Amino acid sequence: KAGVTQTPRYLIKTRGQQVTLSCSPISGHRSVSWYQQTPGQGLQFLFEYFSETQRNKGNFPGRFSGRQFSNSRSEMNVSTLELGDSALYLCASSLGLAGANTEAFFGQGTRLTVV
Amino acid sequence: GDSVTQMEGPVTLSEEAFLTINCTYTATGYPSLFWYVQYPGEGLQLLLKATKADDKGSNKGFEATYRKETTSFHLEKGSVQVSDSAVYFCALSDQGYSTLTFGKGTMLLVSP
Repeated sequence: KAGVTQTPRYLIKTRGQQVTLSCSPISGHRSVSWYQQTPGQGLQFLFEYFSETQRNKGNFPGRFSGRQFSNSRSEMNVSTLELGDSALYLCASSLGLAGANTEAFFGQGTRLTVV
Repeated sequence: GDSVTQMEGPVTLSEEAFLTINCTYTATGYPSLFWYVQYPGEGLQLLLKATKADDKGSNKGFEATYRKETTSFHLEKGSVQVSDSAVYFCALSDQGYSTLTFGKGTMLLVSP
């Protein structure tokens, strides 16, 4: 069974540009979450989608947005990139939101470098 | 809010040594607790989990017991291998929801 797939694996962008990252969850999983990993802040929750609806959001500025499609694939977008947005962005999928279906499976991440 | 505190690394051990990585948490309600492992250049892999007090999670020789009285979930392994070198993250999800709160991570370095 295929795991969580994130594309691209690496990105280099210039300050002020915008970027879109993609995540394909494990087949049958309906929940997708995004996390930002940096050396200074560690792993921080960005947002979670379930059945195309954002169910939870972390403490990030409005430049960070996301969406989920009917096939559960998700994208996150960062506009007006700043140097501090350089990070590993991890996507996780799970069967559902609560109860026994909450085990999260992570992709390999997208390494974003802003120059 | 919820938080997870784990010991800072790196933890440096010789092969076959005993490993303990401490993890304590603060949460409202009754969280589920997890240990994830991250190998260089990779995403996170679930190592083990426990969903209620006194549960013991175990996998690949690693163990952790959910201690509600001390709000702890310490990771242990009796005999580490070089291949265990990685970063280990303690995490919780509150009341069964899938959003995870992570600790800062502990790097483990095992030498032959």
